[in-house]
Amino acid sequence: NAGVMQNPRHLVRRRGQEARLRCSPMKGHSHVYWYRQLPEEGLKFMVYLQKENIIDESGMPKERFSAEFPKEGPSILRIQQVVRGDSAAYFCASSPPYGGGSGEQFFGPGTRLTVL
Amino acid sequence: QQQVKQSPQSLIVQKGGISIINCAYENTAFDYFPWYQQFPGKGPALLIAIRPDVSEKKEGRFTISFNKSAKQFSLHIMDSQPGDSATYFCAASPNQGGKLIFGQGTELSVKP
Repeated sequence: NAGVMQNPRHLVRRRGQEARLRCSPMKGHSHVYWYRQLPEEGLKFMVYLQKENIIDESGMPKERFSAEFPKEGPSILRIQQVVRGDSAAYFCASSPPYGGGSGEQFFGPGTRLTVL
Repeated sequence: QQQVKQSPQSLIVQKGGISIINCAYENTAFDYFPWYQQFPGKGPALLIAIRPDVSEKKEGRFTISFNKSAKQFSLHIMDSQPGDSATYFCAASPNQGGKLIFGQGTELSVKP
């Protein structure tokens, strides 16, 4: 059973470019979460999505950041017009549907974004 | 309050010793408390988790102790091994399926 998959694992962008980060949840999981980890810091929640729905985006910066989880395909975290402060590790996690599930979140290996 | 406070920031333990990491929270709506282990360059891996209806949960060498009245919970690693050297994060969730609020992390080093 493959775990959460993220790609690319490393991404380098110049200031002002766009970054697209992809996340494929574990098989059978329909909930996806995105977290950001700045150097030497803990993980900060960004957004929680189910298929075609944003459930909680309270941790998303108001501008330049967006996320989607379409009916088909991976979840995408999109950062427009990147700035140096966006340099971080971005982790995706997935969990199974509830009503019997434990709510456990399983993390992918992350995408390390470097903005030059 | 949505914060989870974790201590210590770093910890050095001798092989075979007990590693203890503590977390405290304020939001009484939190009802799920997992611990994650993270190695450099890797994603966090779920280690063990507890809900507030029990005071202790043990899985192998890892034990969570939970004190609901004090709003504190801790991770105990018995017989610590050099392979346990990693960063450990506590977390809390306000409801099943909700976002995780993470502590600041503890960098554990187990000396041989």
